Amino acid sequence: EDQVTQSPEALRLQEGESSSLNCSYTVSGLRGLFWYRQDPGKGPEFLFTLYSAGEEKEKERLKATLTKKESFLHITAPKPEDSATYLCAAPIQGAQKLVFGQGTRLTINP
Amino acid sequence: GAGVSQSPSNKVTEKGKDVELRCDPISGHTALYWYRQSLGQGLEFLIYFQGNSAPDKSGLPSDRFSAERTGGSVSTLTIQRTQQEDSAVYLCASSLARQGTLAGANVLTFGAGSRLTVL
Repeated sequence: EDQVTQSPEALRLQEGESSSLNCSYTVSGLRGLFWYRQDPGKGPEFLFTLYSAGEEKEKERLKATLTKKESFLHITAPKPEDSATYLCAAPIQGAQKLVFGQGTRLTINP
Repeated sequence: GAGVSQSPSNKVTEKGKDVELRCDPISGHTALYWYRQSLGQGLEFLIYFQGNSAPDKSGLPSDRFSAERTGGSVSTLTIQRTQQEDSAVYLCASSLARQGTLAGANVLTFGAGSRLTVL
């Protein structure tokens, strides 16, 4: 069964304390791994797409990486405005839909 | 429009009533998706429309749920005889092209969602 699993469920960091969020997947024939950010009361907002193992993408304090089994979202020297839920997702082969993980709720304390 | 618009933003209804949720996608986006997000949960796929193709309804949880897309644009998700377990945020998203294609694999743009509470 195609699955996307995220860990941890929640993470609290102090401002400036770097860490990583994990997304593991069991989707056959992966055709992209997506990262989204969701703020309370809003819909998810696109961050990155990764297509192949070894690929990396960066945006401000965020860097996403991909291996054959998992993806990491690294956050470097985070600020309180980085607080949000981060979702990863992958398209199911042969189907036109994204399977989402449960998300990691990230809180950055000033 | 500039983004995906959903209405109502909040809906409180009584158990057994029917509700309609509306989604106005980004102009020119051919694909439209409905997802459901229960409290503290990830997104659950409901239904997908692509152009004039038959919709993928594989995620609809029961026959009380239906959706249509008129003129390739606005979509309405209808829930009949609502139950308390239907309480959730219903998210609509649109994209330019077919999901899952590697070449130019597109990105979903989500609306803010419609929060449904069934009493």
